[in-house]
Amino acid sequence: GAGVSQSPSNKVTEKGKDVELRCDPISGHTALYWYRQSLGQGLEFLIYFQGNSAPDKSGLPSDRFSAERTGGSVSTLTIQRTQQEDSAVYLCASSSTLAGVQETQYFGPGTRLLVL
Amino acid sequence: KQEVTQIPAALSVPEGENLVLNCSFTDSAIYNLQWFRQDPGKGLTSLLLIQSSQREQTSGRLNASLDKSSGRSTLYIAASQPGDSATYLCAVRRYGGSQGNLIFGKGTKLSVKP
Repeated sequence: GAGVSQSPSNKVTEKGKDVELRCDPISGHTALYWYRQSLGQGLEFLIYFQGNSAPDKSGLPSDRFSAERTGGSVSTLTIQRTQQEDSAVYLCASSSTLAGVQETQYFGPGTRLLVL
Repeated sequence: KQEVTQIPAALSVPEGENLVLNCSFTDSAIYNLQWFRQDPGKGLTSLLLIQSSQREQTSGRLNASLDKSSGRSTLYIAASQPGDSATYLCAVRRYGGSQGNLIFGKGTKLSVKP
């Protein structure tokens, strides 16, 4: 596609429920990133996928958070047993890789998650 | 631990004014620094990327500088327009560890009044 797309654009859920957020990166981009933007906070790195390498999960805040990237393209971020503090905008980005170096990251519009 | 700070948190200027947004970072061992723009309800748009070996980058009315040794970057916007109103984010990519993630400041919310 022309850019990074994310779905849903908005999600309201009840505390304790599981949610899945989807990211479609730009075609051909080997690197994919998830970030979280909470109210009044900066963007917080969550997880990074690069090709077929093991993902860098160092930013995931708890074991309730997990992510997959199938076929090197679409990624799903799953939050289990959601808590109110999980309410945030979840942003996905992708980038190409040139000579082993990640290029500029292109961001999707985000998914706004509200946990009641 | 790398920390990125942006000052001011918010700025309001009349149309036509030149302005400077500031970004500072605590660890000078960075790979590059990027400035992004975020419009309400939308994702981030990359404005300028400065490699660690560079001192500045220019695009149209925007000029970004980098002083790695002092841990500072500035984004200069010339002849501001109401359409420049947005939140501007500064982010650094670090050396070592995961080369994938960016570390962001909290942004400067700019309002340009017509």
